[in-house]
Formats: sequence, structure tokens, C-alpha cells
Amino acid sequence: KAGVTQTPRYLIKTRGQQVTLSCSPISGHRSVSWYQQTPGQGLQFLFEYFSETQRNKGNFPGRFSGRQFSNSRSEMNVSTLELGDSALYLCASSLLGQGKLFFGSGTQLSVL
Amino acid sequence: AQKITQTQPGMFVQEKEAVTLDCTYDTSDPSYGLFWYKQPSSGEMIFLIYQGSYDQQNATEGRYSLNFQKARKSANLVISASQLGDSAMYFCAMREGGTNFGNEKLTFGTGTRLTIIP
Repeated sequence: KAGVTQTPRYLIKTRGQQVTLSCSPISGHRSVSWYQQTPGQGLQFLFEYFSETQRNKGNFPGRFSGRQFSNSRSEMNVSTLELGDSALYLCASSLLGQGKLFFGSGTQLSVL
Repeated sequence: AQKITQTQPGMFVQEKEAVTLDCTYDTSDPSYGLFWYKQPSSGEMIFLIYQGSYDQQNATEGRYSLNFQKARKSANLVISASQLGDSAMYFCAMREGGTNFGNEKLTFGTGTRLTIIP
């Protein structure tokens, strides 16, 4: 079974631009969640989607948004990029009721 | 207050020795899950082991076991017979709330960098 797939692996953007990151969950997993990892703040929860509905949201500004499609694939978007948005963005998927969350390899975003 | 505390920023262990990585947590929710993940320098977050708050036995996955002490709110990871490939960052995480309801929000600790010495 394929794992969680995130694309692209690396991204370089400039301040003010916007970016879209993609996540394909493990087959059969309908819950997808997103996390931001930085050296200063560690791992922080962004949001979670289940059956195309956002169920939970972390403490991030409205510039961070996401969505989930009917095939459970998810995208997150960051608009008006700031230098502080440079981070590793990790996506995780899970099977409802199973308990375990599995992560992808992440997208490393650098904002110049 | 921190919900997940990992007090060991770094550890050096001789190859083939057993390793214990500490994790304490804080929650008032009777239903919760505890996770350990390994993050090598490549960045991917690798699932190691999971323990539900109502699980009667300590979780084990191959060389990994979780020493779950509920009353002490402790969930230490034990790696038996360490290998050079075990060198990585290790994160403890908690999800509050039951699994059937969902809510896949994890709170992570700050991590422990484990280095295995040949």
C-alpha cells in the first residue's frame, strides 16, 4: 500500500506570492491533517479535514487555508507569503477509529 | 502548561544498547492517544508506535515498546538493541478525545535527538 504522498518536495517562493501544497492520503484514509514544522515553534497543527469538511483548525492566520476533495486528496494554500512561513509542511492521514496517524515526507517551503 | 514534555534534548547511546526516551503528558480528557514518531534528517515523520489511554497492555512494535504509566502520565519509548539507523529526532505526541469521533489533532513535544555511536 502506498504511503502518504506530498508534492512538491521542495518549493522556493518570494514574499507576497501564494503557494499550494498537495497531499494524497493512504488509500482508504478519509481524514487528512496538516502540520507546520519550524525550528523555533516546533510542530504545530494547522487543520484537519474529513469527508471534505474542515473539522478542526489550529491557531494560524486566515492566509492559511485548505480543502479536501471527494477522493480524500487535500491541498493547503498560503497566500501573501511571509518570511516566517518558511517551514516543513507535513500532511498526515488516518483511518477513522484506528487511532494511528501516518505522515508524508513533507514539503519544504522556503520564502525569500 | 505544556501538554507534552520531552526533557532530553539529546542522547548519545552505544550501538546495541537499549534506549529509553522520556515523555510525560498532561490532559484532563479520559480518552486520549499517545504516539511516537521518528524523524531522520530527510524530514519524513515515521510512525513508530501508538498507545490508547484505555489499552490494557503496553504497545509493542518490533524493537519499539511504549512504557505506559497512566497514573504518572508517562509514555516512555524503549528501543531495544539500538542500531546506527536509529539516529534521528524522536517526537512524542498526544491526541485528546476518542478515536471513533475523529479529531486527529496532535500536540507534539519538542523532541529528543538520538545519536547511536558505533
